[in-house]
Amino acid sequence: NAGVTQTPKFQVLKTGQSMTLQCAQDMNHNSMYWYRQDPGMGLRLIYYSASEGTTDKGEVPNGYNVSRLNKREFSLRLESAAPSQTSVYFCASSEAPGDTQYFGPGTRLTVL
Amino acid sequence: DQQVKQNSPSLSVQEGRISILNCDYTNSMFDYFLWYKKYPAEGPTFLISISSIKDKNEDGRFTVFLNKSAKHLSLHIVPSQPGDSAVYFCAAADSGTYKYIFGTGTRLKVLA
Repeated sequence: NAGVTQTPKFQVLKTGQSMTLQCAQDMNHNSMYWYRQDPGMGLRLIYYSASEGTTDKGEVPNGYNVSRLNKREFSLRLESAAPSQTSVYFCASSEAPGDTQYFGPGTRLTVL
Repeated sequence: DQQVKQNSPSLSVQEGRISILNCDYTNSMFDYFLWYKKYPAEGPTFLISISSIKDKNEDGRFTVFLNKSAKHLSLHIVPSQPGDSAVYFCAAADSGTYKYIFGTGTRLKVLA
């Protein structure tokens, strides 16, 4: 039982490049979330998926897209990376919307 | 406008003593509060939560107190251990939404 897994752990991109961050959970949770964490700031919600087949914007969605591929997987895509997207990205899941969220280990992304 | 504030960026405590971490919030709609612990290069780990219908919740060495009139919650760790050294985030949510709002974190160092 791995909980929430994220790939890759580290990534360096050049401005304008695209990439997809992958997240999977094996807890049979319905809801999944993407956050970013920047120095001196708390975690901020980018997008979330309350249940399979639904996605919605969080606090800081600009520059990102998401796909809830199935119940297990929720990916985050940067279409044209910018230096302002340099951050640590965390995926989380919960049994249902509003329930306690459990986090993955994070992806550290640097955009040059 | 920061709805959840942790005004102490860092705290040092001697092993065996009590650690008290504080968190203030401004949104009176918040009715569910959580504490997460985060070690370097790992994702946040759920520690303890409290609903607004309670004023105290205890789990082993960890107790969370909620003062709704003051819009304040605190996490007490007794006795503190060196393994408790980490960054602690408080989070608040309106249970009618899916969105947690995180504070900026307090770095706790427990000195042996």
